[in-house]
Amino acid sequence: QKEVEQNSGPLSVPEGAIASLNCTYSDRGSQSFFWYRQYSGKSPELIMFIYSNGDKEDGRFTAQLNKASQYVSLLIRDSQPSDSATYLCAPLGSYIPTFGRGTSLIVHP
Amino acid sequence: DTGVSQDPRHKITKRGQNVTFRCDPISEHNRLYWYRQTLGQGPEFLTYFQNEAQLEKSRLLSDRFSAERPKGSFSTLEIQRTEQGDSAMYLCASSLADNSGNTIYFGEGSWLTVV
Repeated sequence: QKEVEQNSGPLSVPEGAIASLNCTYSDRGSQSFFWYRQYSGKSPELIMFIYSNGDKEDGRFTAQLNKASQYVSLLIRDSQPSDSATYLCAPLGSYIPTFGRGTSLIVHP
Repeated sequence: DTGVSQDPRHKITKRGQNVTFRCDPISEHNRLYWYRQTLGQGPEFLTYFQNEAQLEKSRLLSDRFSAERPKGSFSTLEIQRTEQGDSAMYLCASSLADNSGNTIYFGEGSWLTVV
């Protein structure tokens, strides 16, 4: 059983739309959850983290966490072509973030 | 404020040769991680240090791989007798053990091509 599940996509949205990226995880002991953005050929770049149930907003990004359902999501409002990248979900268990394979997002003009 | 630094950024080597990668973490960070990433996959955990102690090592890490962090600052990852399957991007990351949720920051990665 995979520890972190993400739809590999690609998820295609028009510019200005809301992109919704989802992630489920199996380790109930996970306390913190990270979202990273990775452009092709580059290393992952931290977008935000969340550790409490509910929503956390940072600019155009909103992370949502539901520990009971073992589900975390990332919403990107007013999507821009520069948001086109792979988005990696990483729950933190025992000090070691475990990464999903990521969801490819394409924002088309 | 410098970020995580990795060297070399690109390495092409012949099968059977040894290669070594170096990572310099963010200066006050006491935790250091190595990950490997291949095309279409997320980063795969290899090993983790807190200060100079190697606290965890992936079961997937063969005995051809060894990592050190001798003084609790920079780290090296050595791959002996490289195989074509070792071709990947090797990512180093660091974090500060505090109450901020152990946010890890990645270096730019070291690309390895084994021919």
